Amino acid sequence: EAGVTQFPSHSVIEKGQTVTLRCDPISGHDNLYWYRRVMGKEIKFLLHFVKESKQDESGMPNNRFLAERTGGTYSTLKVQPAELEDSGVYFCASSQERGLRRTEAFFGQGTRLTVV
Amino acid sequence: DAKTTQPPSMDCAEGRAANLPCNHSTISGNEYVYWYRQIHSQGPQYIIHGLKNNETNEMASLIITEDRKSSTLILPHATLRDTAVYYCIVRASNDYKLSFGAGTTVTVRA
Repeated sequence: EAGVTQFPSHSVIEKGQTVTLRCDPISGHDNLYWYRRVMGKEIKFLLHFVKESKQDESGMPNNRFLAERTGGTYSTLKVQPAELEDSGVYFCASSQERGLRRTEAFFGQGTRLTVV
Repeated sequence: DAKTTQPPSMDCAEGRAANLPCNHSTISGNEYVYWYRQIHSQGPQYIIHGLKNNETNEMASLIITEDRKSSTLILPHATLRDTAVYYCIVRASNDYKLSFGAGTTVTVRA
């Protein structure tokens, strides 16, 4: 079974440009999450999808960040325009529900974003 | 709003058991204790979780005190590949978010 896949693994862009990160969750997982770790800080939650709906986007830092999950399969996280402080590692994770029991979250390898 | 306290770092000898402590004195009745780890340049990896009973799986054992205010993750036979940052996370049963703190950097030495 394929795990959570993220593209690209690395991205270097200039300040002011746009970058789109992609996450393919484990097949059948309705729950999809985005997290990030910026330099020197802890891993922080960004948002949570259930299928195609945003369940919780309380962690999104500002309106330069837009996450989508059309069709409830893969998700994209767009940063427009990128700022220097957006540099960090962006993780995607997915999990599924089994009745009342939620399985653990499986994380991808992350996308390392560098804004110069 | 850290709910857990972990030592910043610890060393362990290869082949020996590694005991990682975590304090969660304000844990609520519906909150579980989760452990994840992050090996360098990889995404966080789930290890184990529990509510009040001790748990064991192929990776580790989780010992939760009777008052649930602290727990210990036990890696029974540490290997060099267990070198990672280990996160103890408290999460309510109806909460989807994982709140990662600073974790414990575990270095397994040959």
